[in-house]
Amino acid sequence: GAGVSQSPSNKVTEKGKDVELRCDPISGHTALYWYRQSLGQGLEFLIYFQGNSAPDKSGLPSDRFSAERTGGSVSTLTIQRTQQEDSAVYLCASSLTGPVGEKLFFGSGTQLSVL
Amino acid sequence: AQSVSQHNHHVILSEAASLELGCNYSYGGTVNLFWYVQYPGQHLQLLLKYFSGDPLVKGIKGFEAEFIKSKFSFNLRKPSVQWSDTAEYFCAVKGDNQGGKLIFGQGTELSVKP
Repeated sequence: GAGVSQSPSNKVTEKGKDVELRCDPISGHTALYWYRQSLGQGLEFLIYFQGNSAPDKSGLPSDRFSAERTGGSVSTLTIQRTQQEDSAVYLCASSLTGPVGEKLFFGSGTQLSVL
Repeated sequence: AQSVSQHNHHVILSEAASLELGCNYSYGGTVNLFWYVQYPGQHLQLLLKYFSGDPLVKGIKGFEAEFIKSKFSFNLRKPSVQWSDTAEYFCAVKGDNQGGKLIFGQGTELSVKP
């Protein structure tokens, strides 16, 4: 597609439920990133993929968070047993070459609200 | 671990005023430095970047930033702001041993009054 696509754009869930957030990167981009944006907290790095592997998952806040990427394309971020503190905007970004420092292209994010 | 600090959370300026947004990072090695901008209702987008060479980097829309290695700083400047510059600005750093991890600061919200 023309840009990074994320779905859903908004997700409201109840505490304790699992959620899946999807990211479609720009075609041909090998690197894919997940960030979390909370009010007043800036962008918090979660995980980075190069192809289908995740060389850096150091930012995942707990073992309730996991992510996968298949076919070097679509990625899914899963949050199990959601908590209210998980409420945030989850941003996905992709880039051509990853660690070399290429420009990141961001999606519009998924606004997650945990009630 | 690397970190990025943006000193100003919210800056309010009148049109034609000069702008300087502070950014300091902590990392001992070689860094790549970025400023991203998020206009209201839009995606984050790259404003400018520094990889090597001339420490004064020019970006889009008249913005520039200067890398001062001795101060671990990468401040963003614009001589004369416009109402359309109202946005949130994020400084980001990628260290040479940090793989693909791009670390962002907390962001600075800029409001320009017409």
